[in-house]
Amino acid sequence: AQSVTQLDSQVPVFEEAPVELRCNYSSSVSVYLFWYVQYPNQGLQLLLKYLSGSTLVKGINGFEAEFNKSQTSFHLRKPSVHISDTAEYFCAVSDPGGGNKLTFGTGTQLKVEL
Amino acid sequence: ETGVTQSPTHLIKTRGQQVTLRCSSQSGHNTVSWYQQALGQGPQFIFQYYREEENGRGNFPPRFSGLQFPNYSSELNVNALELDDSALYLCASSLGGSTNEKLFFGSGTQLSVL
Repeated sequence: AQSVTQLDSQVPVFEEAPVELRCNYSSSVSVYLFWYVQYPNQGLQLLLKYLSGSTLVKGINGFEAEFNKSQTSFHLRKPSVHISDTAEYFCAVSDPGGGNKLTFGTGTQLKVEL
Repeated sequence: ETGVTQSPTHLIKTRGQQVTLRCSSQSGHNTVSWYQQALGQGPQFIFQYYREEENGRGNFPPRFSGLQFPNYSSELNVNALELDDSALYLCASSLGGSTNEKLFFGSGTQLSVL
């Protein structure tokens, strides 16, 4: 069985400051890793994904994440946030042999303040 | 191309009733996945349909059932509603069910069970 832990339920940050949203996973097999963003009253949108290859993954809207197998982590980072980045962010995993059925974490609410 | 649309957007039911939620896939997509997102939680995988056949199921009881139609639209049916079924129900479509296929999410149906 797989599980995802997002350690921070809320992260407040000032505009133009850097941010890191933490994600740790647990799995007995290799995994694929994803970050999704959910804006108010909207569905989830894929930010980035790690399937294989380079452990540093770049996504949309200036976000990036680094896969660390030894620490079983996949933290999301952005060097300078904008007010429009205020949203809920979800980390998710899938079993490479299990198709695109995702196991999500509980989410981190990013609140960007002026 | 059209996105994933879900109906209704909001729904109020009483305990013991039955409900049907609907989802229209993004144009050209033959796979639909359903997720339940309880308040303050991440989405949980309910089941997936590929070309009208169930293609995987999460840890949900049999009173959660689904259908996929020849045009690849889908329904989620929940019988004998319980208070804990109150949640946002998300539909996601993809071109196939493999891990490489990106999920496109609808905005969801907010179900309240009183």
